[in-house]
Amino acid sequence: GAVVSQHPSRVICKSGTSVKIECRSLDFQATTMFWYRQFPKQSLMLMATSNEGSKATYEQGVEKDKFLINHASLTLSTLTVTSAHPEDSSFYICSARARVVSSNYGYTFGSGTRLTVV
Amino acid sequence: SQQGEEDPQALSIQEGENATMNCSYKTSINNLQWYRQNSGRGLVHLILIRSNEREKHSGRLRVTLDTSKKSSSLLITASRAADTASYFCATAALTGTASKLTFGTGTRLQVTL
Repeated sequence: GAVVSQHPSRVICKSGTSVKIECRSLDFQATTMFWYRQFPKQSLMLMATSNEGSKATYEQGVEKDKFLINHASLTLSTLTVTSAHPEDSSFYICSARARVVSSNYGYTFGSGTRLTVV
Repeated sequence: SQQGEEDPQALSIQEGENATMNCSYKTSINNLQWYRQNSGRGLVHLILIRSNEREKHSGRLRVTLDTSKKSSSLLITASRAADTASYFCATAALTGTASKLTFGTGTRLQVTL
């Protein structure tokens, strides 16, 4: 089945530094990838949608200069949290949608990245 | 923006009992999906029900969809301790080739021995 690899699973960084999170589709081509943010005991909030080879579409309220998204190939999307601050600490999850959508599915999620900014 | 509202927010049952979670949404949908999330982990897809379907089964899972009421329910029968997790409904928009999923608020299920 479709597998999405996300790493790192956990990262601790100092305030003011940048952190890159990678999301790879291992056995399928992902034309679209989605990045979500999740606070403890809350739901997933969509941050942005990225299509291969084009600029990401950000949801309202998400700073595009803060959260840089690159989807340079059909198997890789990256989210870079720039100049991280403690309030950026959260759980970030990516999701990939296959070029060919199966009859029952189409979306595969990564295992998430726990970001802690100290 | 958050579309789905789920209830209950938290549910605690004993092993062997059935667990029912409800989801309501606001706009027209193409399909509705249910996901499971163990603490601190990614999401696992459980089941998808299309807008023209009313009920779907998968193992111990039963999902219903009422598009007139814009609601869905997930029933887990004969629950096990390993079913302890958070459960989210997610809706895919009616239009758009790369439909984004909008997640509900989630139900935290605790199954005790």
